[in-house]
Parts: sequence; C-alpha cells; structure tokens
Amino acid sequence: QQQVKQSPQSLIVQKGGISIINCAYENTAFDYFPWYQQFPGKGPALLIAIRPDVSEKKEGRFTISFNKSAKQFSLHIMDSQPGDSATYFCAASMSRDNYGQNFVFGPGTRLSVLP
Amino acid sequence: KAGVTQTPRYLIKTRGQQVTLSCSPISGHRSVSWYQQTPGQGLQFLFEYFSETQRNKGNFPGRFSGRQFSNSRSEMNVSTLELGDSALYLCASSLRLAGRGEQFFGPGTRLTVL
Repeated sequence: QQQVKQSPQSLIVQKGGISIINCAYENTAFDYFPWYQQFPGKGPALLIAIRPDVSEKKEGRFTISFNKSAKQFSLHIMDSQPGDSATYFCAASMSRDNYGQNFVFGPGTRLSVLP
Repeated sequence: KAGVTQTPRYLIKTRGQQVTLSCSPISGHRSVSWYQQTPGQGLQFLFEYFSETQRNKGNFPGRFSGRQFSNSRSEMNVSTLELGDSALYLCASSLRLAGRGEQFFGPGTRLTVL
C-alpha cells in the first residue's frame, strides 16, 4: 500500500516533443504529490507538486495532471529540451504522522531528449 | 539562503567498518530525512528527525542509525558495513515534517564499501 508505481522506466523524446511520465499509488492517505528531477551526480530537486484538491497544476513547461478517483498522476513536459534530460521521480506523501514511512518515491524515469 | 550540505561527498570503507555521514539542513528547517539511493532499489527512506526526535523510520536494519542536534544538523551512522551498503546517501530538509510539504535534497554522500 505504500508503493508508488512509475512508468515508463525510460523515455526518449525528440526536441520540441511532449514527455509524459505516469505514476499510480494505492494509499488514499497520501495527500501531497511532488515530482523531482535529478541530474547525474546531484541530489533530486523539486520540480512541481500538487495536492489532491486540484486536478491540474502548470508551471512553465511542466504540468501535473491528477486523477484522484483513479489514484494516478502524471507529469507532462511540453516543448522538451535536451537540458531536460535527467531522471524524474514521482513521490507521494501524507501529512498524517504515522511514525512509519510517509514519503514514498517511484522508481524513476530516465528521460533523454534528442537534439 | 544556503542549500542542504552533506559531508563528506565521497567515502570508501571496507566491510565491517563503521561510517558517519553528516547533513546540515537549510537554515530554519527542523526536519531532516535520510534516503539511500541505489540503481536497483531506487530511493529508499531511512528515517526522519524533527526537533531532535526520530519521527519516522523505514525498513532498514538496526545497523543504520541517526541523530539530530539542537541546531538541526543530523548525522547518520552505519555500523558493520556490508558490500550492499554501497550507495548514494541523500539527506533532505524541510520546514515541517517531511510529509507536509517540500523537501530539499543535498548533493549526497557516495559511499563505496570494498
């Protein structure tokens, strides 16, 4: 129930194309869904996040779509650029303190944007 | 504002030894979480400290321990190192408990166990 599934494992997109990464969760107690971007040799950096009271959030070229009933959320990167080539992690967390693991990451998607 | 810092950045140890990693959170942040990142297992939660108290714990053996000081700096200790402990260890800080908002990650400590 604590698992977050993420697909695809890897993604190759042409410059200017749309990159789409999907995540799914089981635990309905999750109430915060961030996406992180990680470049080689660096720690993950927060990209964009959403709470379940909205269905979509957009920041620049990055959009999160959230489907509460399906327990799924996705990241869309519009006009993908070679500089977007990185590993992307979705995550889910719960604000309720349950003294267990309350911040769960997906396995990651390695995105390559071809010039 | 300075970001999360971790020391050392790289570490090489042999099996059976112990190691201590350090994390300094963003000024004002009271929560520090530790994660282990490996190619096979991804990002796995170790534990979270908030105001010097361990608030949450992942599924790791007791060889992995941590603590947090009054200035919110945190240390993580791994005793009796095993080859499988080779990983990137990341710490993340947040203003409140990690589950309630943004976490900011440090660059990590790359631990190699020979």
